[in-house]
Amino acid sequence: DTAVSQTPKYLVTQMGNDKSIKCEQNLGHDTMYWYKQDSKKFLKIMFSYNNKELIINETVPNRFSPKSPDKAHLNLHINSLELGDSAVYFCASSQEFYGYTFGSGTRLTVV
Amino acid sequence: GENVEQHPSTLSVQEGDSAVIKCTYSDSASNYFPWYKQELGKRPQLIIDIRSNVGEKKDQRIAVTLNKTAKHFSLHITETQPEDSAVYFCAATLSGTYKYIFGTGTRLKVLA
Repeated sequence: DTAVSQTPKYLVTQMGNDKSIKCEQNLGHDTMYWYKQDSKKFLKIMFSYNNKELIINETVPNRFSPKSPDKAHLNLHINSLELGDSAVYFCASSQEFYGYTFGSGTRLTVV
Repeated sequence: GENVEQHPSTLSVQEGDSAVIKCTYSDSASNYFPWYKQELGKRPQLIIDIRSNVGEKKDQRIAVTLNKTAKHFSLHITETQPEDSAVYFCAATLSGTYKYIFGTGTRLKVLA
């Protein structure tokens, strides 16, 4: 039973398209995150929600919009995809801020 | 701004030897320091963590040390095995937030 699950695992799409990535956690954690890992493996936070409230909103293009319908789900919608958006996107969750549990990642390729 | 530096970027050791990865953080109020292991194509997984009120923590072959004065913390892996080969990330929490600042990663290769 996967603790933090993301879908899809792979996403190949054309420039200009809009796409969504979904994340669900069954750990009962109160905080969820989106991280971006680029080709050099750098892990950079994008957003975080605590009990459905946005608490971290880093400097990312406003084409990226997170949505948290409840504390077990955090989705990421991306409008007008660009080549530079190609990366692996990881969802994570934590109880308070100790020890993130990461999802398995979504490899996004924009062509 | 907040920063975590990690060294070395790559590290090759012979099986059975020890490996040490070092990180330095900039925010003196940081109070939690996790380490993650990421195998190729997999998710980062927490392997050990340390809080600022502790100087050292061990878990079998893995240990982490923290020097708050110098703002350094290190991961020590003893008796390395080929399955320890992965990218290791350190992180520090920015005080008062849920945000981890990750180091740039160390690619560890354990040679059989």
